[in-house]
Amino acid sequence: GAGVSQSPRYKVAKRGQDVALRCDPISGHVSLFWYQQALGQGPEFLTYFQNEAQLDKSGLPSDRFFAERPEGSVSTLKIQRTQQEDSAVYLCASSFGVARTEAFFGQGTRLTVV
Amino acid sequence: GNSVTQMEGPVTLSEEAFLTINCTYTATGYPSLFWYVQYPGEGLQLLLKATKADDKGSNKGFEATYRKETTSFHLEKGSVQVSDSAVYFCALLRSNDYKLSFGAGTTVTVRA
Repeated sequence: GAGVSQSPRYKVAKRGQDVALRCDPISGHVSLFWYQQALGQGPEFLTYFQNEAQLDKSGLPSDRFFAERPEGSVSTLKIQRTQQEDSAVYLCASSFGVARTEAFFGQGTRLTVV
Repeated sequence: GNSVTQMEGPVTLSEEAFLTINCTYTATGYPSLFWYVQYPGEGLQLLLKATKADDKGSNKGFEATYRKETTSFHLEKGSVQVSDSAVYFCALLRSNDYKLSFGAGTTVTVRA
């Protein structure tokens, strides 16, 4: 596609529910990132994939968060047993290269846990 | 560690006014510096960047100069338009790294 696509755009989950957020990166982009943006804050790094390999998951806040990119293209961020503090906008970004190349961001998924 | 501090908002201006948003950073080595913009209902877009000291990034009338001596990367525009209303984020990328560190964002509203 022309840009990074994320779905759904909005998700409301009851506390304790599992959610899955999808990211379609730009075709051919090697690198894929997930960021979490709390209200009124800048994005915070969650995890990084190079093709299908998850090279860095240091930003995942707990073991309830899990991300995958099995075929090196589409990625899914899964949050198990959602909590209120998980409410945020989840941003996906992709880039053609590895380090120091421009990252293109999707519009994000706004997750609200009630 | 790496950190980015930017001017708190919100900032409200009249059309054709001068805009400046301050950004300072803490990082080892020689990071690359960025300004991203988020228009209402849209994703983050790269506005401009600078990769080494004294570089000036520019785009859409916005400018920012990488000042290593003051560890700053302030964003400026001489004459803003209503269409510049957005949230602006300063960010850095360490040498040979892949993950961006962002400031908290500054909301700018331009009134006609």
